Formats: sequence, C-alpha cells, structure tokens
Amino acid sequence: NAGVTQTPKFRVLKTGQSMTLLCAQDMNHEYMYWYRQDPGMGLRLIHYSVGEGTTAKGEVPDGYNVSRLKKQNFLLGLESAAPSQTSVYFCASRPQGRTEAFFGQGTRLTVV
Amino acid sequence: AQTVTQSQPEMSVQEAETVTLSCTYDTSESNYYLFWYKQPPSRQMILVIRQEAYKQQNATENRFSVNFQKAAKSFSLKISDSQLGDTAMYFCAFIAQGGSEKLVFGKGTKLTVNP
Repeated sequence: NAGVTQTPKFRVLKTGQSMTLLCAQDMNHEYMYWYRQDPGMGLRLIHYSVGEGTTAKGEVPDGYNVSRLKKQNFLLGLESAAPSQTSVYFCASRPQGRTEAFFGQGTRLTVV
Repeated sequence: AQTVTQSQPEMSVQEAETVTLSCTYDTSESNYYLFWYKQPPSRQMILVIRQEAYKQQNATENRFSVNFQKAAKSFSLKISDSQLGDTAMYFCAFIAQGGSEKLVFGKGTKLTVNP
C-alpha cells in the first residue's frame, strides 16, 4: 500500500516552461487536494477535487490547472512557469465520510 | 469562506515543559472538524489531534490536548512534557464536512524544543 505518491520529488524549470505534477493514491479516496507551501505562508490550497471528473478552485488557483480523469490520479499543471511558482507542492487525499487526510511527500519545484 | 489564523510564527520551550499554540478560525458552517498537524524537518505531514465541533469534550492524545472554545472560535494545542522530537512546524487546519469539503490550513507555528 503506497498511500499518496507524488511525482517528481524535485524539479527545476526555466521561466515559461510547462510541466505536470502527478499525485497518485491507491486508497480509493474520493477527495484530493493540491497545496503549495511557502515560508511564512503555511499550506495554501490551489485546487481540489470532490470526485472523479470534478475539480474546484482553492485560495490560489491562478497559473495552475488540474484534472481528475481517473479517481486515483490528480494532476497539477503549470502552463507557463514563473519564478513566483517556486515552492514545495503537496498533494493530499481523503476518503468520503472520514476527515483524516493523507499527504504525499511533497515536490520541490524551482523556477529560474 | 473559512479562514484559520495562527498568530504565533515561532515559539520555543524547554524540554519537559508545557507549551500552548494558538489558533482561531472563522466559519459559518455548523458541522466541522479542527486539526493540528505536525511537520518535522522531513516535510512529512503528521496528524497530531482532531476535534469534532459538535463534541464539547476537548480531545486528548497522550501528551497533546486541545482547548476548544466554540463560541470564541478558538482551538489551541497544549503540549505537555515537551520532547526534543516535538520540534517541528505545527499547522492548525479546518474542514467543513458535508459542505465545501475544503481542507484549509493556517500559516503555521514553528516550535523549537530546547535541551
């Protein structure tokens, strides 16, 4: 049981490049979340999903897109990376009817 | 919209002493849960304790306990007999179950336990 797995763990991008972060969970969880963590800012919700095929905006959605085509995967896309998107990104999942969230190990993204 | 506020960016405590971390929140939801998560230097997010809003009794987990004041929308974490391994970032979090299902975090408090 792998839990929540984020791919990649580290990445350096040049300004303007695009990339996709993958979050995969093998626990059949209904809800999935993408956060960014910056010093002094805590975890800020980017986008989330309440089920396969659904997505919703969080607190800081600008510059990001997401998709949940399969229940087990939640993709976070950066179409044109900017230095302000340098951050540590966390994915989390949660089962329906339960409140405990399970987190991935994080992805450190640097945009130069 | 739900908001979570942690007013103490950093705190320190001597080993074996007690420390309290503060958290306030704002919501119009009636069915919600509050959490404290711990994030050590490894970056792993660890659930420390959970409180259901409709329960008046404060949650406890070994050395960790909360003071939940629903009317004041306050949710503080008390760590007793602090240990060096308690050194970490602590995040207060909120979820309105059955509502938006958004899991919202505060900015965190960096706790250092000194020997």
